[in-house]
Amino acid sequence: ETGVTQTPRHLVMGMTNKKSLKCEQHLGHNAMYWYKQSAKKPLELMFVYSLEERVENNSVPSRFSPECPNSSHLFLHLHTLQPEDSALYLCASSRSPKEQFFGPGTRLTVL
Amino acid sequence: SQKIEQNSEALNIQEGKTATLTCNYTNYSPAYLQWYRQDPGRGPVFLLLIRENEKEKRKERLKVTFDTTLKQSLFHITASQPADSATYLCALDPTFSGGYNKLIFGAGTRLAVHP
Repeated sequence: ETGVTQTPRHLVMGMTNKKSLKCEQHLGHNAMYWYKQSAKKPLELMFVYSLEERVENNSVPSRFSPECPNSSHLFLHLHTLQPEDSALYLCASSRSPKEQFFGPGTRLTVL
Repeated sequence: SQKIEQNSEALNIQEGKTATLTCNYTNYSPAYLQWYRQDPGRGPVFLLLIRENEKEKRKERLKVTFDTTLKQSLFHITASQPADSATYLCALDPTFSGGYNKLIFGAGTRLAVHP
């Protein structure tokens, strides 16, 4: 295990639902990340938080809303998603600009 | 445009042989490059990081080279085993932002090692 946990591991939701993904790390890392991984495509960086402040938002639609209440927790709030948003959502953390530690991901299916 | 390309979507080799995976990039000048392993349904796991001033890095059966002139990194697994079967991702940070990184990933190469 990498020390980064994500819940839930699987999520099925309708386009009108609101749900949240949770990520937790107790590695003492100061940066946390959300990625989207679709089939046959490279990981796409969505958001970066450094010292609990959002520092990057890579043109992600507003139906994805991140939240970082403290240095150990990161959330991704989802609402009115589209079927093309179905993917594996990965959380990662790092101490510095070096290696990132990834969680196991949440497999999201939007019906 | 900026691109990271990894060779062939899939690489099949026989157990005991050396697997060589390629990562080429254009229009970047990264300070370092990283390699990750990803198994199906799981998150990537960090393997090695190589800096621009390092030509080669080794870790057990793994070896990475970094040629900033060719804009290429090679990832070698010697004495490959079926347990090495996975997807291998290369990643670089084009910005060197300080306290965090903005990794750009290649699409990965799926390696299958056959007994």
